[in-house]
Amino acid sequence: DAGVIQSPRHEVTEMGQEVTLRCKPISGHNSLFWYRQTMMRGLELLIYFNNNVPIDDSGMPEDRFSAKMPNASFSTLKIQPSEPRDSAVYFCASSQERHQPQHFGDGTRLSIL
Amino acid sequence: KNEVEQSPQNLTAQEGEFITINCSYSVGISALHWLQQHPGGGIVSLFMLSSGKKKHGRLIATINIQEKHSSLHITASHPRDSAVYICAVLAGGTSYGKLTFGQGTILTVHP
Repeated sequence: DAGVIQSPRHEVTEMGQEVTLRCKPISGHNSLFWYRQTMMRGLELLIYFNNNVPIDDSGMPEDRFSAKMPNASFSTLKIQPSEPRDSAVYFCASSQERHQPQHFGDGTRLSIL
Repeated sequence: KNEVEQSPQNLTAQEGEFITINCSYSVGISALHWLQQHPGGGIVSLFMLSSGKKKHGRLIATINIQEKHSSLHITASHPRDSAVYICAVLAGGTSYGKLTFGQGTILTVHP
């Protein structure tokens, strides 16, 4: 089975630009999570979807961040406009049910210059 | 104080040594995860447990719910075990799988 697929793997862009990160969860998983990892703060949950519906977006840092899940096989995390402090590794994870282990994608390493 | 504390933060061992990484948490939980992150950055779920002990190969995870403590043990450590090990808890009563993460333990195993 294919795991969680994220794209791009790396993104380097200038501040002010729009950034879109993509995630394809494992087929059949109904829970999807977006995380951000930085040296200072470690791993943090940004937003959680259940059955394509956003359940908790309290971790989204600012209005510049938005996430969508238009169907069960695709989600996006968008930053507009991007700032240097958004530089981090962004992980997407999915799980079959809420108490099942989460499967992580390889992450997107984002650098905002 | 963080809800999830790991110790030690850094751990260096010689190949073959027995390794223990500890995780303490301050909230009621329904489950605890141990994750492994290799230098390449990918994160792999090693264990999810809510009581007792689980074993997979050379890895053993234990949890004591009353003491709010979990340990990850690696027997006969190998350089390929070098990675960051992250403890994460699923708070009790949470209606979904929101995890709170420890800061991670950096393990280096020398040949």
